[in-house]
Amino acid sequence: RKEVEQDPGPFNVPEGATVAFNCTYSNSASQSFFWYRQDCRKEPKLLMSVYSSGNEDGRFTAQLNRASQYISLLIRDSKLSDSATYLCVVNVYNFNKFYFGSGTKLNVKP
Amino acid sequence: DTAVSQTPKYLVTQMGNDKSIKCEQNLGHDTMYWYKQDSKKFLKIMFSYNNKELIINETVPNRFSPKSPDKAHLNLHINSLELGDSAVYFCASSQEMGRGEEKLFFGSGTQLSVL
Repeated sequence: RKEVEQDPGPFNVPEGATVAFNCTYSNSASQSFFWYRQDCRKEPKLLMSVYSSGNEDGRFTAQLNRASQYISLLIRDSKLSDSATYLCVVNVYNFNKFYFGSGTKLNVKP
Repeated sequence: DTAVSQTPKYLVTQMGNDKSIKCEQNLGHDTMYWYKQDSKKFLKIMFSYNNKELIINETVPNRFSPKSPDKAHLNLHINSLELGDSAVYFCASSQEMGRGEEKLFFGSGTQLSVL
């Protein structure tokens, strides 16, 4: 079983749409959680951390449900520039391990 | 002023050759990593070093040998390259940010193609 599971997509949405991604993780010892964005042929870049209380950064909202071991990312008012692969990442702190999901591909169309 | 830099960006070589990838970070981070991203885009950790000490070795063939001369550098040497080694290799570093949270910062990747 993979440490982190995500729907690979692709999600094809029109500009202005709201889109949500979910991911689940298997290790209950996971301590910190992130969404990374990876553009084609580029390195992953941190989009936002995810906290139990939920957090928002502009059009992006992240939620964590520890009891169910899932993480979500909501993107409102999608832009063409949001087209990328979104990677769900969990960190098992005591072991310095970051586990990546396989990524969810988002295509925002005009 | 690149935070995590790795060279070369592209590496094309024949099966059986030995090659190295270099990585340096100027963020002052204590921990550095090598990740492999295969053709299915799945990112998998290979090694992790903390202050020059190996702390994670994820069942990587011993043809892969990381070396950390100091905490700002983590190089990866690969012996007897095989076709299956073709992938993008990312170097990364992290630092504990407080509240038990660490964040990863990646280099721009090395595209290795073994012919």
